[in-house]
Amino acid sequence: NAGVTQTPKFRVLKTGQSMTLLCAQDMNHEYMYWYRQDPGMGLRLIHYSVGEGTTAKGEVPDGYNVSRLKKQNFLLGLESAAPSQTSVYFCASSPPGEGETQYFGPGTRLLVL
Amino acid sequence: GQNIDQPTEMTATEGAIVQINCTYQTSGFNGLFWYQQHAGEAPTFLSYNVLDGLEEKGRFSSFLSRSKGYSYLLLKELQMKDSASYLCAVRDDRIKAAGNKLTFGGGTRVLVKP
Repeated sequence: NAGVTQTPKFRVLKTGQSMTLLCAQDMNHEYMYWYRQDPGMGLRLIHYSVGEGTTAKGEVPDGYNVSRLKKQNFLLGLESAAPSQTSVYFCASSPPGEGETQYFGPGTRLLVL
Repeated sequence: GQNIDQPTEMTATEGAIVQINCTYQTSGFNGLFWYQQHAGEAPTFLSYNVLDGLEEKGRFSSFLSRSKGYSYLLLKELQMKDSASYLCAVRDDRIKAAGNKLTFGGGTRVLVKP
């Protein structure tokens, strides 16, 4: 099993450009999440999904959109990138049980100039 | 709102013990997780507490007091490879629509010196 994979690993964007980050998991997990991690701020939840075709806002959703058309994939879109979106983005997935942990992908480093 | 506090940084010597504290004030409580994150890598699961008391897993132990909103992670017999950030996270809602989402603290960077 590959677990959780993220594409791309690193990207440089100019302000105003758009891009999509792809997350894929092969563990058949119901739940998926997108986080951003900035220095000294821990992980902050952007959006999450409790199943195929459903998404919900997290703590910091502004400037991002998501889609979960297939159970194994969770896409994060930036329509018009801003320097404040420079960050490391982590995707995670989890089974639905109460004591279940989240499994994280390797991260995508995004630099917006 | 949600508030989870942990120290920013701690330094300890190889072979010693370090205790990382985490205090939380959340709208609800349905479990506390500890993750380890090496620089440039993804977080990985260490422990889960939902009832009061101590959970031991080899060199790592985690304690929870729900009445005090307090947890700690204890790392014994420190090794150089334990140099990493340790993240405390709380799940505050058990309903399905919440999707087991977590609120994370800022993380504690532990530096192990020879």
